[in-house]
Amino acid sequence: ETGVTQSPTHLIKTRGQQVTLRCSSQSGHNTVSWYQQALGQGPQFIFQYYREEENGRGNFPPRFSGLQFPNYSSELNVNALELDDSALYLCASSLELDESGEQFFGPGTRLTVL
Amino acid sequence: SQKIEQNSEALNIQEGKTATLTCNYTNYSPAYLQWYRQDPGRGPVFLLLIRENEKEKRKERLKVTFDTTLKQSLFHITASQPADSATYLCALDMRAGTALIFGKGTTLSVSS
Repeated sequence: ETGVTQSPTHLIKTRGQQVTLRCSSQSGHNTVSWYQQALGQGPQFIFQYYREEENGRGNFPPRFSGLQFPNYSSELNVNALELDDSALYLCASSLELDESGEQFFGPGTRLTVL
Repeated sequence: SQKIEQNSEALNIQEGKTATLTCNYTNYSPAYLQWYRQDPGRGPVFLLLIRENEKEKRKERLKVTFDTTLKQSLFHITASQPADSATYLCALDMRAGTALIFGKGTTLSVSS
């Protein structure tokens, strides 16, 4: 059983650019959630995908968008990058019907916007 | 307004002592409360989950309590070790499988 993987590990972009981050879910998991974690803060929910459909969204602008693919891997896209977008972006997978609610997090992608 | 607060940003204790971390929330009614451990530069790792109808849960040296009247959870690590040094996050779960609402975390340092 493989865990959650994310790519790339680190990324540096400039203001106004666009970025795509990728996530592979844990085997058998059909739900993916994305979180943004600024330095010294807890993770903040961006959105969740279940069976390729968006299943909930946090308080993030539309320039944050996502996709989930038939194999349940996922992408997070951010357009028109701003300095405040610099953060650790975490992907977490879970079984939507899993009673435990436990989420399995990847190692994250560290995005720096200059 | 809705808030989730972990009362201490940092907690320093000696090896062998019990660490107690606090999580308080306002204007939420979580079905579950979860605790995660996060090491620097890594993703959070699940530790324990407690349901709204449970008062206490234990796993090895870890114990979690959940008081829905006080809207508070306490997380205890007994016989603490330097390897327990990390940031501990509490998270509210409104329903299994949905988004988690995290606190800022408490950074625990255990000295030998």
